[in-house]
Amino acid sequence: ETGVTQTPRHLVMGMTNKKSLKCEQHLGHNAMYWYKQSAKKPLELMFVYNFKEQTENNSVPSRFSPECPNSSHLFLHLHTLQPEDSALYLCASSQEWSADTQYFGPGTRLTVL
Amino acid sequence: AQTVTQSQPEMSVQEAETVTLSCTYDTSESDYYLFWYKQPPSRQMILVIRQEAYKQQNATENRFSVNFQKAAKSFSLKISDSQLGDAAMYFCAFIIQGAQKLVFGQGTRLTINP
Repeated sequence: ETGVTQTPRHLVMGMTNKKSLKCEQHLGHNAMYWYKQSAKKPLELMFVYNFKEQTENNSVPSRFSPECPNSSHLFLHLHTLQPEDSALYLCASSQEWSADTQYFGPGTRLTVL
Repeated sequence: AQTVTQSQPEMSVQEAETVTLSCTYDTSESDYYLFWYKQPPSRQMILVIRQEAYKQQNATENRFSVNFQKAAKSFSLKISDSQLGDAAMYFCAFIIQGAQKLVFGQGTRLTINP
């Protein structure tokens, strides 16, 4: 695998379910990001991790819980989501933590019923 | 506030022709980086081109080039010899020096007519 990979590509879950999104980068980068892409809205930054440390939480509800066990892996744990959380969730990584080019994965299309 | 405006929700062009996508942005910072990304139906956000604000020379990448006007805060993308594979959503974005947040526009959907 090369670049940034995300699994699963599609996820349908009920409001009471617990699920996790996984992101893995094979680029040797030090920073990783979660973005939310909703219809008709610009991409929204959710979380940033730099060298496994969370450096930004963009006022995201606590039903989204990120985890970064090492600089190559990033998870987004989901629980008791709402239908309005349905969106495309994109993971990205960059070599440097600041003002560097971000490379994106293919995204996970999440539907909350 | 830092914002990006893409005033053209949709554009179309004939195959092999040239098309220009518009982007304006707003920031009080002087040191930043600008990007164009494309997102085809596969949903993968792919970097098209990057421009450093301190560079006066416009960036080019094969058939893709930009017209960067710093004073006007304008950053348009020109695609020459359009190909069917160029069909996608195109997003303009910028990030200021020292920040981690990419600020995106709402995108322009580009259709290529054969």
